[in-house]
Amino acid sequence: HSALTQPASVSGSPGQSITISCTGTSSDIGTYNLVSWYQQHPGKAPELMIYEVTKRPSGVSNRFSGSKSGNTASLTISGLQAEDEADYYCCSFAGSGPSYVFGTGTKVTVL
Amino acid sequence: EVQLVQSGAEVKKPGESLKISCKGSGYSFTTYWIGWVRQMPGKGLEWMGIIYPGDSDTRYSPSFQGQVTISADKSIATAYLQWTSLKASDTALYYCARVGGGSFINWFDPWGQGTLVTVSS
Repeated sequence: HSALTQPASVSGSPGQSITISCTGTSSDIGTYNLVSWYQQHPGKAPELMIYEVTKRPSGVSNRFSGSKSGNTASLTISGLQAEDEADYYCCSFAGSGPSYVFGTGTKVTVL
Repeated sequence: EVQLVQSGAEVKKPGESLKISCKGSGYSFTTYWIGWVRQMPGKGLEWMGIIYPGDSDTRYSPSFQGQVTISADKSIATAYLQWTSLKASDTALYYCARVGGGSFINWFDPWGQGTLVTVSS
């Protein structure tokens, strides 16, 4: 499985909403509702923000939401805050094996 | 608190062997899969493989099959990632993470702090 495709960068002003796309294929995102999203601040380990397309772990702000349509999943951050500036990665289950494929990563900049 | 604590940074020469570790605490180590993820300098995340410590069932990404060995010692709640002959291209940050999910395990949480492996002559 090739890496899922994400935009290299997305930016927004404080308070705005931004959406990060994650495009895969019919073998991963298109077949399974098993997409997760991770936030990674510089020098830190990734943290789970969304799992199974739309679910939020306890402790994660409700400003983060996920969705999926066809072969593309999306992460929306509403009410953008300075602390949201980080790299974001999507990940999809890619078949029983099991196997997983990560996205190329998106750098979010808060203007 | 569920926690994964990884071993410290390593500096090795090409051709040397290495085994890094990931110790779990705060949960039943034998009933959750542990995954390993590589992050090369300035690059994204790559899934390497997973292991079920309860019975050491191990699955590898095709990209890493034969390149590394994943193992676990459930008696000390520790998973391992090892190389027999390192290459400069193995220089990266390596993360372990607990893998969660229902019928299909599919999310990684929490993550260890990462182990930086530097391979240089």
